[in-house]
Amino acid sequence: QKEVEQNSGPLSVPEGAIASLNCTYSDRGSQSFFWYRQYSGKSPELIMSIYSNGDKEDGRFTAQLNKASQYVSLLIRDSQPSDSATYLCAVPGYSSASKIIFGSGTRLSIRP
Amino acid sequence: DGGITQSPKYLFRKEGQNVTLSCEQNLNHDAMYWYRQDPGQGLRLIYYSQIVNDFQKGDIAEGYSVSREKKESFPLTVTSAQKNPTAFYLCASSIRADRVSYNEQFFGPGTRLTVL
Repeated sequence: QKEVEQNSGPLSVPEGAIASLNCTYSDRGSQSFFWYRQYSGKSPELIMSIYSNGDKEDGRFTAQLNKASQYVSLLIRDSQPSDSATYLCAVPGYSSASKIIFGSGTRLSIRP
Repeated sequence: DGGITQSPKYLFRKEGQNVTLSCEQNLNHDAMYWYRQDPGQGLRLIYYSQIVNDFQKGDIAEGYSVSREKKESFPLTVTSAQKNPTAFYLCASSIRADRVSYNEQFFGPGTRLTVL
């Protein structure tokens, strides 16, 4: 089992709909969870951090964390064409918070 | 204007040559990292440094070397021993490496290395 797993996609969502991106992780002791957005040819940009179970909202983005089930998700409301990108889930290990494991990313495409 | 800079943006290297990629940050972050990204792949950790004059190997350190003589600088050398160096190289930094909520990593714009 990979340490951080994401569906590679592509995930195609109509403009204005909710895009739902999921990530599972293997280290039960992980305490922080990150979502990055990466446009084609560019570097990753941190868009959400979440540390506690439950939901965290920031504008159109909502991160959801369920430590018991070891998954973290990202919801994007009112999807826009500018949201088309690859979304990377990143999880530091409990034994070494300094080593963040990145998933391979989910490619999201917002269709007009 | 705080941030992380990487240079050059594009780099071409002949086989058998060593090249050094620059990474500078003015965020006053203690920790710095180097990742490699291949097309359609996630990020793989090459080296990281939690403090000046100290660094640790990541998952794919073979064929690479680093130094951390100054807090703001963490250059990466790709040696001729690296068998397949063509990739997108990303430098990142965080306030600290070892504490939750301080280990958010912020990335520079990247250097795209091509071996001819």
